[in-house]
This record gives sequence, C-alpha cells and structure tokens, in this order.
Amino acid sequence: GENVEQHPSTLSVQEGDSAVIKCTYSDSASNYFPWYKQELGKGPQLIIDIRSNVGEKKDQRIAVTLNKTAKHFSLHITETQPEDSAVYFCAARFSGGYQKVTFGTGTKLQVIP
Amino acid sequence: NAGVMQNPRHLVRRRGQEARLRCSPVKGHSHVYWYRQLPEEGLKFMVYLQKENIIDESGMPKERFSAEFPKEGPSILRIQQVVRGDSAAYFCASSPVQDREDAFFGQGTRLTVV
Repeated sequence: GENVEQHPSTLSVQEGDSAVIKCTYSDSASNYFPWYKQELGKGPQLIIDIRSNVGEKKDQRIAVTLNKTAKHFSLHITETQPEDSAVYFCAARFSGGYQKVTFGTGTKLQVIP
Repeated sequence: NAGVMQNPRHLVRRRGQEARLRCSPVKGHSHVYWYRQLPEEGLKFMVYLQKENIIDESGMPKERFSAEFPKEGPSILRIQQVVRGDSAAYFCASSPVQDREDAFFGQGTRLTVV
C-alpha cells in the first residue's frame, strides 16, 4: 500500500517568514495529493490540493509543488501569520480512487509573532 | 466541513464497555469514510461506506470494530469491549460522489478508555 513520509515534524518560524513542509510517497500510481490543516480540537480542513498532471499550484499565500519522478511534494506558506499555526498533513490518494487517502504524520507549525 | 456532524464530541468508556460513534454526513452525501487518529499521529483510514453497503473495510481491525451506514440515519462506528489502545480521535468524512476530492471532515469524536 501507499506510504507517505512527512518532514519536519515541528517547525517554528517568525511571523512574515516562509514555511516549507516536504512529503514523499511510495505508490507511483497515486494521482491526487491534498494538504490539510488541523487546528486544535478540530477536524482536518482541506487547504490546497494538486493532481499528478500538474507541477505547481498556488492559492494566495499557499503553494504546492509536485515532482512526480522523485515522488516528492511540498507545501509552501509565504508571509506566515500567527493564525497559520496548526498541524499540517500531506496526503496521497490510493490509485483505487475514492477518498481512501494515506496521510503523512503531520507537521506542527508554530508562527511566532 | 461544518456540515459533517459527529457525536458525541468526547466519549469516556471503561475497559470492556461498548463505544458507539455517530456521523451524520453533509446533506445529500452518500459516501462516508471513517479515520482514526492516534495521539501525535496522522489519520489512518478505517472504512468506506455507501448507503447500506461497506465498500472497503481494509483499515478496520477484524475484531471488535464494526461500521454501518443505514438507509436512514447516521453512520455508526461501533467498538465492542474497548481497550486502552482504542483511545484516539475518530473522524468521519463525507463526499457526494465517489471520486470527488472535496470530502468534508467532521470535528471528530475523542474516545478515552479508562
């Protein structure tokens, strides 16, 4: 089955700096890569996603990149704000479809004001 | 994700008791997924259900765990004879069709076994 690794496990940045979270996946058939933000006591919220036929996608301060050959994908947050502090999860969708995604182990991002 | 309702939000059970976790999907969604999140870990897929059918239960322990999604009413995740290792947050997600990416997660049920 799919295996997703995520680094770093914790990340502290100063407000206004950029944050980068990296993930690798194992199943070359995975074709959909969502990123979730989980705030304390809440469920994961989809913040951005990317398909395997796209190398990069941007949405305001958030961008994702995908290197399908190397099976790497990354989340980039620019101009970080205190409200960006949360746990971020990358995920990869199993080639069998539907929503059986495999999650990474999470990155706890702390933005220091 | 406010549309997926899970209850209770917190559940405390003694070892050996049964736990019932309920998930009401977004109105009109007929696909439900359950995930388990152990402390300091990511979410692990447990089971995927459509109305009255279990489609994929490959992530669910073979014993003590069961799930259903009846024609009427919420989806239920049932854990019999709970043990300390069952303590976790259980999340439900729903989607309108099978291959849509925008599945919505509920806020989870935090189960504590004492």
